[in-house]
Amino acid sequence: EDKVVQSPLSLVVHEGDTVTLNCSYEVTNFRSLLWYKQEKKAPTFLFMLTSSGIEKKSGRLSSILDKKELFSILNITATQTGDSAVYLCAGALIQGAQKLVFGQGTRLTINP
Amino acid sequence: NAGVTQTPKFRVLKTGQSMTLLCAQDMNHEYMYWYRQDPGMGLRLIHYSVGEGTTAKGEVPDGYNVSRLKKQNFLLGLESAAPSQTSVYFCASSLEVYNEQFFGPGTRLTVL
Repeated sequence: EDKVVQSPLSLVVHEGDTVTLNCSYEVTNFRSLLWYKQEKKAPTFLFMLTSSGIEKKSGRLSSILDKKELFSILNITATQTGDSAVYLCAGALIQGAQKLVFGQGTRLTINP
Repeated sequence: NAGVTQTPKFRVLKTGQSMTLLCAQDMNHEYMYWYRQDPGMGLRLIHYSVGEGTTAKGEVPDGYNVSRLKKQNFLLGLESAAPSQTSVYFCASSLEVYNEQFFGPGTRLTVL
């Protein structure tokens, strides 16, 4: 059975801290790993990682994939209150369409 | 561009009633997906479509039907609603099979 596990499930830090969110996966016919940020409503796309060891960056956010150890991390540096959200990790397999297997999410709270 | 839109935003049904959720996208995307999100379970794929006139079952299709008569629209139907279908429903679309999925704002459905 395909499975994605995120840790921690919940994290509370102070503004300015650096956080690391973890995602491990067991997905057959694995194609890529995606990260989304979910605030009140729609998950918004952050990163898609297909190759192992290549870091992707967007401002204070970065992510990397390890296909040998089957995990990915999402780093956020100099956190701000606007980073408070649920961060979702999903393993993608291609089977007719791109099927995403989501983890439970990590709820990140940034306190001022 | 409006992106992915969903109607309605909220709905309350009684057990046994039927309803249709509408998803529309204006990005000319080929692939469209319906997910449900339940507490502690992440998002799960209900049905998907790889193009106009096509539909296929996802992970949790029972109790739902879908149609994609026009490329820009993907409808999710509940013929006889059950309390177990109380959830938040998200629609997503992607340009091609290897591209990231863009999500709509969601529909919160309560079945009494």
